[in-house]
Amino acid sequence: GDSVTQMEGPVTLSEEAFLTINCTYTATGYPSLFWYVQYPGEGLQLLLKATKADDKGSNKGFEATYRKETTSFHLEKGSVQVSDSAVYFCALSRSGSRLTFGEGTQLTVNP
Amino acid sequence: EAEVAQSPRYKITEKSQAVAFWCDPISGHATLYWYRQILGQGPELLVQFQDESVVDDSQLPKDRFSAERLKGVDSTLKIQPAELGDSAMYLCASSPRKGLEETQYFGPGTRLLVL
Repeated sequence: GDSVTQMEGPVTLSEEAFLTINCTYTATGYPSLFWYVQYPGEGLQLLLKATKADDKGSNKGFEATYRKETTSFHLEKGSVQVSDSAVYFCALSRSGSRLTFGEGTQLTVNP
Repeated sequence: EAEVAQSPRYKITEKSQAVAFWCDPISGHATLYWYRQILGQGPELLVQFQDESVVDDSQLPKDRFSAERLKGVDSTLKIQPAELGDSAMYLCASSPRKGLEETQYFGPGTRLLVL
């Protein structure tokens, strides 16, 4: 079945540091890929998405590229802020069906 | 900006009691999802509705969980009887229509604690 694997966390960075959170997936066909963010005590917010190979999703300085050859969708940001502290989830979906999520990566950014 | 509404936000109940959660999706969204998120894990689908019909409930523990979306708009998820292992965040999400727009929009969730 479908699965998503995220890098183990938690991740702790200083403000303005470079962020990479790795995500790889296993799925048949051509899934759509997503990054969601969850702030403490809240639901999930869509951060960015990509629907086909080589697409780059971007939002709020975050970006991720759909790499079919490596089955990856790594999240990057050039300069993190304290307000980026949250849990980040990589997920996939095929044809509007369920989202399959990774385990989540806790990011803490210190001033 | 339209949002998915859920209530209550928090619920504390005792083992063997019944609990119910309510979700109102974004207006016009045909597909509605209920996910369960155990602390420290990613959400997992419990049930998916397309309009008023269930299209995926393969992971729903049907001996104690039930879900309905009678008029194809809002939805209720019920647990009876609740067990200690049901303590989790219950998330509702909606999307415009299956296959055409895959982005799912999530509500704030209901955090359930079973004592």
